[in-house]
Amino acid sequence: ELKVEQNPLFLSMQEGKNYTIYCNYSTTSDRLYWYRQDPGKSLESLFVLLSNGAVKQEGRLMASLDTKARLSTLHITAAVHDLSATYFCAVDAFGNEKLTFGTGTRLTIIP
Amino acid sequence: DAGVIQSPRHEVTEMGQEVTLRCKPISGHDYLFWYRQTMMRGLELLIYFNNNVPIDDSGMPEDRFSAKMPNASFSTLKIQPSEPRDSAVYFCASSLVYRLGSEQYFGPGTRLTVT
Repeated sequence: ELKVEQNPLFLSMQEGKNYTIYCNYSTTSDRLYWYRQDPGKSLESLFVLLSNGAVKQEGRLMASLDTKARLSTLHITAAVHDLSATYFCAVDAFGNEKLTFGTGTRLTIIP
Repeated sequence: DAGVIQSPRHEVTEMGQEVTLRCKPISGHDYLFWYRQTMMRGLELLIYFNNNVPIDDSGMPEDRFSAKMPNASFSTLKIQPSEPRDSAVYFCASSLVYRLGSEQYFGPGTRLTVT
């Protein structure tokens, strides 16, 4: 059974600081996705990572994938309040479009 | 494009009643997914379709749940009879697989409360 683990589960950080969210998964895969969910809202796609060493950046967020370590990271640079949300990683382990989601990381940015 | 459309947005029903959730995927997308989200279990894939054909329903919790996709622009998820433990937010998502790996686009969700 594929397991996708995120840490931390909760993260409270001050504006202007940097931090990293980690996503570990239990089986080989080179297809990993990051989503954002605001409270009471739907999920929004952030990044699609499709190969070892893939790096994507959008604004203050940067995602990377290390398929050998079965690890993806989501790095937040100089956090701002608007980034407060829950972030999910999801893995397609078998190339069949079936995603297994992590538990999510609830990020709160404190002014 | 209007995005993935779900209805109703909120549903409150009594235990034992039948509940039908509806989804209209993004036009041209060939995959459709039904998810359930709860605090306890997180986000779970229930079933997904490719070109209107169910591919994997292993996430459907029990026989009380059924899903159909009669055409490319419409899908339903039915719960009969409903139980309080079915209370959750149900999301529909769609994707177009035109290359290796394509992100799923999620609808706004249906918040179901079974009393």
